[in-house]
Amino acid sequence: AQSVTQPDIHITVSEGASLELRCNYSYGATPYLFWYVQSPGQGLQLLLKYFSGDTLVQGIKGFEAEFKRSQSSFNLRKPSVHWSDAAEYFCAVDTTSGTYKYIFGTGTRLKVLA
Amino acid sequence: GAVVSQHPSWVICKSGTSVKIECRSLDFQATTMFWYRQFPKQSLMLMATSNEGSKATYEQGVEKDKFLINHASLTLSTLTVTSAHPEDSSFYICSARVRGQGNQPQHFGDGTRLSIL
Repeated sequence: AQSVTQPDIHITVSEGASLELRCNYSYGATPYLFWYVQSPGQGLQLLLKYFSGDTLVQGIKGFEAEFKRSQSSFNLRKPSVHWSDAAEYFCAVDTTSGTYKYIFGTGTRLKVLA
Repeated sequence: GAVVSQHPSWVICKSGTSVKIECRSLDFQATTMFWYRQFPKQSLMLMATSNEGSKATYEQGVEKDKFLINHASLTLSTLTVTSAHPEDSSFYICSARVRGQGNQPQHFGDGTRLSIL
């Protein structure tokens, strides 16, 4: 069955430190992959997406993600975290099976220490 | 570009009333819109897929008579929670895909917080 796993429910980092949020997926074909960020009480904002080509993709707000087929992973990274990055992060797979529904991970809540 | 507007952002109403939530794509046409429900500190749960001019496709376990979806135009989908009860209180989020671009990302509205007293 198709699934998306975000192993870390909560992550706390100090401002200025590097960040890596993990995402693993289970999908039969090459998936379309996305990372979204959600601030409290708001909708989701797209950070970046991977469809094909270069496996290292750049997004907004200084985020990047690397697609590793061999590990079925699409981890999100940022070299230096800012206090405003504190939010909930969701990884999603687009099933591309006609309805283009997303399968979301359970989310990772990021806390940034001053 | 690709802005999705959701209205209202917050609504409080009495048990037994019906509530309508609107989802509009402001600067693009959306053949397909999605409706999600999100419980506190949880991920998004897809409720239904709304296609312009046709009936919505509901996910398993979602009552279609309870959550009425209408997608009458390429820029507007509505979700009506009928005879709402306290257990329907939740955060509802819509999203939309740009028409004709199947592999493009979903663009999300800012959500509607529904509180039923």
